[in-house]
Amino acid sequence: NAGVTQTPKFQVLKTGQSMTLQCAQDMNHEYMSWYRQDPGMGLRLIHYSVGAGITDQGEVPNGYNVSRSTTEDFPLRLLSAAPSQTSVYFCASSYQGAEQYFGPGTRLTVT
Amino acid sequence: LAKTTQPISMDSYEGQEVNITCSHNNIATNDYITWYQQFPSQGPRFIIQGYKTKVTNEVASLFIPADRKSSTLSLPRVSLSDTAVYYCLGVPLYRNAGNMLTFGGGTRLMVKP
Repeated sequence: NAGVTQTPKFQVLKTGQSMTLQCAQDMNHEYMSWYRQDPGMGLRLIHYSVGAGITDQGEVPNGYNVSRSTTEDFPLRLLSAAPSQTSVYFCASSYQGAEQYFGPGTRLTVT
Repeated sequence: LAKTTQPISMDSYEGQEVNITCSHNNIATNDYITWYQQFPSQGPRFIIQGYKTKVTNEVASLFIPADRKSSTLSLPRVSLSDTAVYYCLGVPLYRNAGNMLTFGGGTRLMVKP
């Protein structure tokens, strides 16, 4: 199993550009989540999904959209990038509750 | 959703036992206490989970008193490679669309030679 994969690993955007961060898992997990982590800080939940077709907002959803058309994929879309969205983005998946498997992260810089 | 409180940082030396305590006064009846470890430039990694009393695995032990208002992660004989941030959170075993997981700031453990 590849586990949780994220692409790209690094990305630089200009203010106002849009892009999609990809996340995929091959463990048939129901739950998937997106977090952002700013330097020296903990993780903050952006959006999450408890199954295909079901998504919900986390703590910091503004400026981001998600969809979950398949169990495997959970892309995160930045609608109009802002410097405040410079961060490391982690995708995670889990079966039911506690043990989440995290991807390697995408380091995003918005100039 | 259970709010957890942990020390911001701790220092230790190689070979010592490290105990990190987490306070969760309003832990829900259905929540499990879960600990994650995060190394720099990596995503968090699940370490251990428990509901009550003591749980031990190959990495750590977790002590949860009967009132469940706190928990202690115990790392035996730490090495330099245990330098990381450790997060404590309460997690419902069965999640639905209303359950969010919240990672607080964590405890930054520095192990010195």
